[in-house]
Amino acid sequence: SQQGEEDPQALSIQEGENATMNCSYKTSINNLQWYRQNSGRGLVHLILIRSNEREKHSGRLRVTLDTSKKSSSLLITASRAADTASYFCATGSGQAGTALIFGKGTTLSVSS
Amino acid sequence: DGGITQSPKYLFRKEGQNVTLSCEQNLNHDAMYWYRQDPGQGLRLIYYSQIVNDFQKGDIAEGYSVSREKKESFPLTVTSAQKNPTAFYLCASRRTSGNYNEQFFGPGTRLTVL
Repeated sequence: SQQGEEDPQALSIQEGENATMNCSYKTSINNLQWYRQNSGRGLVHLILIRSNEREKHSGRLRVTLDTSKKSSSLLITASRAADTASYFCATGSGQAGTALIFGKGTTLSVSS
Repeated sequence: DGGITQSPKYLFRKEGQNVTLSCEQNLNHDAMYWYRQDPGQGLRLIYYSQIVNDFQKGDIAEGYSVSREKKESFPLTVTSAQKNPTAFYLCASRRTSGNYNEQFFGPGTRLTVL
């Protein structure tokens, strides 16, 4: 079962612009994580936000979490062509060893 | 280098054949996972293992089998019972201590049925 639904499915922007992608989920969570996937590669972890946190920053990334709306957003500021990739949200239940549940992803294209 | 390796990178299978995808990690993680990714889709969980000699079915386990005889290794066999096996397969691992752990992914194996 897929927990997260990212929105939009695809996003095209110019270098220097900000990119915002959203994730909605269905059940209670312990944490929410964002991953990046370059075409044909494995996923790379970007950032984790705990259920008791509302906002988190890491470099050009800003993640928000609204547990009342069961939604999260990922903001990439000052986008670069190298940010072109697919971005996935994944939810964790907190139970040790259980798998994260991934959404379908947002494909971001940044043109120079 | 610590990480997860998957082999082969590309795999071609004839209909009716079983094939085994390799996944090895040297991160000393207890938990390992197999996901399937179809074009434009997210990741769907096939099987996962939280400890050696134990594993559980995920959402789409039919037509697949796994083993976990060693902590470092979690091979996935795609059997002839899997009717539509062409996909990108991703292996991942994670620590089980603590509640806030990221998953580390291998580079993936692209399986094509001829």
